[in-house]
Amino acid sequence: GQNIDQPTEMTATEGAIVQINCTYQTSGFNGLFWYQQHAGEAPTFLSYNVLDGLEEKGRFSSFLSRSKGYSYLLLKELQMKDSASYLCAVRDVVAGGGADGLTFGKGTHLIIQP
Amino acid sequence: ETGVTQTPRHLVMGMTNKKSLKCEQHLGHNAMYWYKQSAKKPLELMFVYSLEERVENNSVPSRFSPECPNSSHLFLHLHTLQPEDSALYLCASSQDNRVGYGYTFGSGTRLTVV
Repeated sequence: GQNIDQPTEMTATEGAIVQINCTYQTSGFNGLFWYQQHAGEAPTFLSYNVLDGLEEKGRFSSFLSRSKGYSYLLLKELQMKDSASYLCAVRDVVAGGGADGLTFGKGTHLIIQP
Repeated sequence: ETGVTQTPRHLVMGMTNKKSLKCEQHLGHNAMYWYKQSAKKPLELMFVYSLEERVENNSVPSRFSPECPNSSHLFLHLHTLQPEDSALYLCASSQDNRVGYGYTFGSGTRLTVV
């Protein structure tokens, strides 16, 4: 089974930096994803980590430590439009197929204040 | 049209009704998924299809019946639902050999069972 934990809500200031943590306990691991979801909209893909280390993509970076079952999403130069939920998801290996479903955490609701 | 398209966007149905949700992807992906998103709960994987064959049924009640007639289309047939089935139903697609590009989600169908 999978257990994925992330904070329920965080608040940060426009222009600042925020780090959203995610810990996971899984029976299998085949990669970790971060998604952004604005209210009433579809989740959109932000990042993918399968090896330890930091992946940087513009203002967003994601880090993974497989031995610790830990990841974080780092958002720099925060903008008001970054107010959204951020979902951590682990890719499991589904028996019998090449397609693997994702197991999601509950998401972190990030509030950006002026 | 590009991406993943879901219809209808909103659906209200009685507990004795039969309805179907439709998902279509124009990305050339070979795997499709149904997820359920309820308030205060993480996204829950319901069904996985790879190359039009179901590879996982995540212990979903039989009142939900998926159908994947080809790699571009996915349906979720609903019958005798319960009020607790009210949720946002999200379809997603992916390409097995391009995992790092993430899963693409549709905008979802907001289902209300009365």
